[in-house]
Amino acid sequence: QSVLTQPPSVSGAPGQRVTISCTGSRSNIGASYDVHWYQQLPGTAPKLLIFGNNNRPSGVPDRFSGSKSGTSASLAITGLQAEDEADYYCQSYDTSLSTSVFGGGTRLTVL
Amino acid sequence: QVQLQESGPGLVRPSQTLSLTCTVSGGSIKSNDYFWSWIRQPAGRGLEWIGRIYTYTTESTYYNPSLKSRVTVSVDTSKNQFSLNLSSVTAADTAVYYCVRDWPRLGGRAFDIWGQGTMVTVAS
Repeated sequence: QSVLTQPPSVSGAPGQRVTISCTGSRSNIGASYDVHWYQQLPGTAPKLLIFGNNNRPSGVPDRFSGSKSGTSASLAITGLQAEDEADYYCQSYDTSLSTSVFGGGTRLTVL
Repeated sequence: QVQLQESGPGLVRPSQTLSLTCTVSGGSIKSNDYFWSWIRQPAGRGLEWIGRIYTYTTESTYYNPSLKSRVTVSVDTSKNQFSLNLSSVTAADTAVYYCVRDWPRLGGRAFDIWGQGTMVTVAS
C-alpha cells in the first residue's frame, strides 16, 4: 500500500491527451511539499520527468506537464506517442513518516 | 555529465548482509549541492527509498525508518563511491537496487540522476 495513490493503468490513442493522478494527504502533498514525476521505460531505470510540481528538466518535451492542488497532483501528457508507453511514478515527502514517498506507479498504454 | 553505476553480488543468502557499491563518474561525490541515495524496486512493484548520505562537510546519514535498524550507507571519497549494507536479509529484500543522486530542493528533494540498477536476489 503506497502512501501516494495512483491509478494502476491509463491508456490513450496516439495524439490524445491523458492525465495521471497522484493523491496524497495533509502529511505530504497537502503539507506543501513538492511533487515530482518519474518515467520508467520498460527495462530501464526511472528518469526525472517533472520536478517541483510543474518544471521540466532539460530535454523533456513540453508535451509533459504537471500540476498540484491541495492534497493531489496530476501529470498530463498531450500529443501521445508510442514512445510514451511506460510506468509513471509520483514522489513527495511525508512529514509523519519522515521519508520520501512514492506512488505505486501507473502504466501508460498507447493504443 | 554525472553518471552512477551500481556493483555487487546478484545473489545473497538469507540472514546475510547485502552489500552494494555505487561509483560516481563525471563529478565529485564530495558535493555541497547533493546527497546520494539508495532506492529499491521489487519486481513488478513500486519504489522504496532506503537511505542517503551527505559528504561535503561531515558525513551525515539518513535512513527510512522502516529499514533503519538494518541499513548502513557509507562513502569512500577517495574512490568517489558510496555503499549500501543491508543486514539480516530475507526474500522480501529481493529487488532491483538503484543508486541515485539526491537533489535537496527547497520545497522537497527530487532524485535527478539514477544508476542503471542492479538486481539482487535473496535465496538459499
